[in-house]
Amino acid sequence: DAGITQSPRHKVTETGTPVTLRCHQTENHRYMYWYRQDPGHGLRLIHYSYGVKDTDKGEVSDGYSVSRSKTEDFLLTLESATSSQTSVYFCAISEVMGQETQYFGPGTRLLVL
Amino acid sequence: GENVEQHPSTLSVQEGDSAVIKCTYSDSASNYFPWYKQELGKRPQLIIDIRSNVGEKKDQRIAVTLNKTAKHFSLHITETQPEDSAVYFCAAESGGSYIPTFGRGTSLIVHP
Repeated sequence: DAGITQSPRHKVTETGTPVTLRCHQTENHRYMYWYRQDPGHGLRLIHYSYGVKDTDKGEVSDGYSVSRSKTEDFLLTLESATSSQTSVYFCAISEVMGQETQYFGPGTRLLVL
Repeated sequence: GENVEQHPSTLSVQEGDSAVIKCTYSDSASNYFPWYKQELGKRPQLIIDIRSNVGEKKDQRIAVTLNKTAKHFSLHITETQPEDSAVYFCAAESGGSYIPTFGRGTSLIVHP
């Protein structure tokens, strides 16, 4: 597996609280992505980053923000968690953008009560 | 934007049979089509990919075919084994966005 870690791996939180998920890579890849995975929906892109402090929205970005202050770290923040954000969150990295393999992290299982 | 449809959502086969998963895409500019395998509780991992200048690609028991005219591509697994049981995702990537759009996944169950 590529050098990607996610923390925490599991989290239970309450509606309305802020939550931050961390993705850390040791591959020095430029591109990083956050996806959420829900039954029947596959993998849907939340946000992605194409460099330090360079980020853009994906198809399901509402309610989420991201930050990337270092090449190796990409943070996903749920400003005020809702039950609809209960999901498994995967971080991914790629060396180039386009026509290249994405390497996924182990995932974070988030439950919002 | 790109739209990827994947069928079937569930596929059950006997060990040794072949399995075929089909995907269609909407953006004629899409030119990269990866397939990912996700075992239960694990991360998705690339198993094979194909680019638009190629019609077919094989890697041992798995193969992918691409029909650009019809805008569909398929994953073929021959001589299935129980360890092939997993969820398989197709994806299509447009040359304009460089971001893959994923299908909803196919749960493949191989019965011993």
